[in-house]
Amino acid sequence: AQSVTQLGSHVSVSEGALVLLRCNYSSSVPPYLFWYVQYPNQGLQLLLKYTTGATLVKGINGFEAEFKKSETSFHLTKPSAHMSDAAEYFCAVTLNQGGKLIFGQGTELSVKP
Amino acid sequence: KAGVTQTPRYLIKTRGQQVTLSCSPISGHRSVSWYQQTPGQGLQFLFEYFSETQRNKGNFPGRFSGRQFSNSRSEMNVSTLELGDSALYLCASSLVRGNSYEQYFGPGTRLTVT
Repeated sequence: AQSVTQLGSHVSVSEGALVLLRCNYSSSVPPYLFWYVQYPNQGLQLLLKYTTGATLVKGINGFEAEFKKSETSFHLTKPSAHMSDAAEYFCAVTLNQGGKLIFGQGTELSVKP
Repeated sequence: KAGVTQTPRYLIKTRGQQVTLSCSPISGHRSVSWYQQTPGQGLQFLFEYFSETQRNKGNFPGRFSGRQFSNSRSEMNVSTLELGDSALYLCASSLVRGNSYEQYFGPGTRLTVT
């Protein structure tokens, strides 16, 4: 069965510092991987996705993630945090295009001035 | 293009009642999925509809049901509401283009059961 683990339910960084949010997945076959962001009282916004091809994926708002099959990881990074990045971030996996995403428990990112 | 829309945005119901939530997908998207989000359980998959047929189902009791219409709009229904059904219900529509797959979420319906 597929599963997703996000290490750290809360991450705090200073404005301008590197953001690193960790995601590890469990899957018997190459999955499709996604990162979503959720602001308070809103739905989920797709940040980036990995389906096939290049393992380093660039998304919106300066975020990127690297698919590492050997480590079963898909960590999200951003070189320089901005106050507006404060939100909850979810990693998700699906094995096929059948509409069922399995989500991690989420990581709340705080950005200190 | 307009995004995924969900109505109503907020709903307060009493235990034992039933509720119907509506979702309109992005134009051209034929797949609609529903998720429940709670602080304790996180984001959990309810079901997915494609071309008016339920294609996938999560581990929820039969009180949770859904349907999809010919225009791809979808509704989900919860009967005999319980306090534990209080949650944010998210709808997502999907686009499949070759090997590319993306799922776009609506703003959600916040259901409170008292």
